[in-house]
Amino acid sequence: QQQVKQSPQSLIVQKGGISIINCAYENTAFDYFPWYQQFPGKGPALLIAIRPDVSEKKEGRFTISFNKSAKQFSLHIMDSQPGDSATYFCAASRFTGGGNKLTFGTGTQLKVEL
Amino acid sequence: GAGVSQSPSNKVTEKGKDVELRCDPISGHTALYWYRQSLGQGLEFLIYFQGNSAPDKSGLPSDRFSAERTGGSVSTLTIQRTQQEDSAVYLCASSFWGANYEQYFGPGTRLTVT
Repeated sequence: QQQVKQSPQSLIVQKGGISIINCAYENTAFDYFPWYQQFPGKGPALLIAIRPDVSEKKEGRFTISFNKSAKQFSLHIMDSQPGDSATYFCAASRFTGGGNKLTFGTGTQLKVEL
Repeated sequence: GAGVSQSPSNKVTEKGKDVELRCDPISGHTALYWYRQSLGQGLEFLIYFQGNSAPDKSGLPSDRFSAERTGGSVSTLTIQRTQQEDSAVYLCASSFWGANYEQYFGPGTRLTVT
């Protein structure tokens, strides 16, 4: 059972454009929603994260929008740059005695063209 | 400071052989996670260690997989009698203990079972 669904699978955006990646989750107990960026041959790196008590979080060109009632959250990359070309993963977790086990979406390959 | 390191970076083994993958977490991080990244299954949680507590093994796919963490630091993931479906990138992450602390990922070990 896939608990976090991510779309689109791939995305091509022109330089300066807005990249939007969407995720939907099923488990209402999740209380932490991070986005990870991964370059080829590297491990994922945290980009930005949000808790469900806020509807939006912005850090530089990256914004998470969160809709608790719809159980959806999205990543917006403003003024997309070629250096943003990477694979992006949304994730969700619930902190318990078992730690923050992350459940990941399937990933979105972003390519930013000049 | 040093990040999470993993060794080897690549491992090619024959079906049926045992393999050991090593993870050195960031100093001071008491939580350590293993994840697997494969084309068919995406990024999936395997096992979690926190200090001297019993590990959370809920993500291990079979009893051929085991892991240990010595002295609350270095961890070893062992796969016995490897199968071709074990081919994947094995990622280690570490974090401070507590809700929503960022997990820092290592570069991974790419395992190929021939």
